[in-house]
Amino acid sequence: GQNIDQPTEMTATEGAIVQINCTYQTSGFNGLFWYQQHAGEAPTFLSYNVLDGLEEKGRFSSFLSRSKGYSYLLLKELQMKDSASYLCAVKDSNYQLIWGAGTKLIIKP
Amino acid sequence: IAGITQAPTSQILAAGRRMTLRCTQDMRHNAMYWYRQDLGLGLRLIHYSNTAGTTGKGEVPDGYSVSRANTDDFPLTLASAVPSQTSVYFCASSEGDSGETGELFFGEGSRLTVL
Repeated sequence: GQNIDQPTEMTATEGAIVQINCTYQTSGFNGLFWYQQHAGEAPTFLSYNVLDGLEEKGRFSSFLSRSKGYSYLLLKELQMKDSASYLCAVKDSNYQLIWGAGTKLIIKP
Repeated sequence: IAGITQAPTSQILAAGRRMTLRCTQDMRHNAMYWYRQDLGLGLRLIHYSNTAGTTGKGEVPDGYSVSRANTDDFPLTLASAVPSQTSVYFCASSEGDSGETGELFFGEGSRLTVL
């Protein structure tokens, strides 16, 4: 079956750096997405990786290794507003999105 | 502000009742989707539509139906609600069809409780 694994919850300190990992086993691969979802709100798009390597966008970066079935989202200079769930999703060979359950990130002062 | 509008925001209904969740987008996106989100699980696709006039089944379509009469509207109907359909429902759209890699834009969600 298809599977996306992410840690359920992580805690980090304001101003620090945190890395959220995502491993996947899917039938084919057509890209990996990261979304941010604040409690009670809709998910919003953060990043997209289809080739191996690092994509940087401000304080957020996303890395992909297709051979390892692995991605991470790196958040730098953490702010309290970064407290949210981070969802990893992979597009499979049928172009269907398979979603992880999300990682709840708690930022402490 | 352009985007996706869902209604109602929240609803409690009795088991066995019929319910339609409304979704409207004004971005002229081709593809639209309905997901449900349950605690501890990833978003699960219920139904999708790649373009007006076409629909397809997702991962968990049983008990739900959709229609896509035009580009903007994509209602989701529960013909006879059951307690296991208690969930948060998100409508989403993307510029291309599901075969393309575009990001999804989500509505604010509809919280449905079936008693």
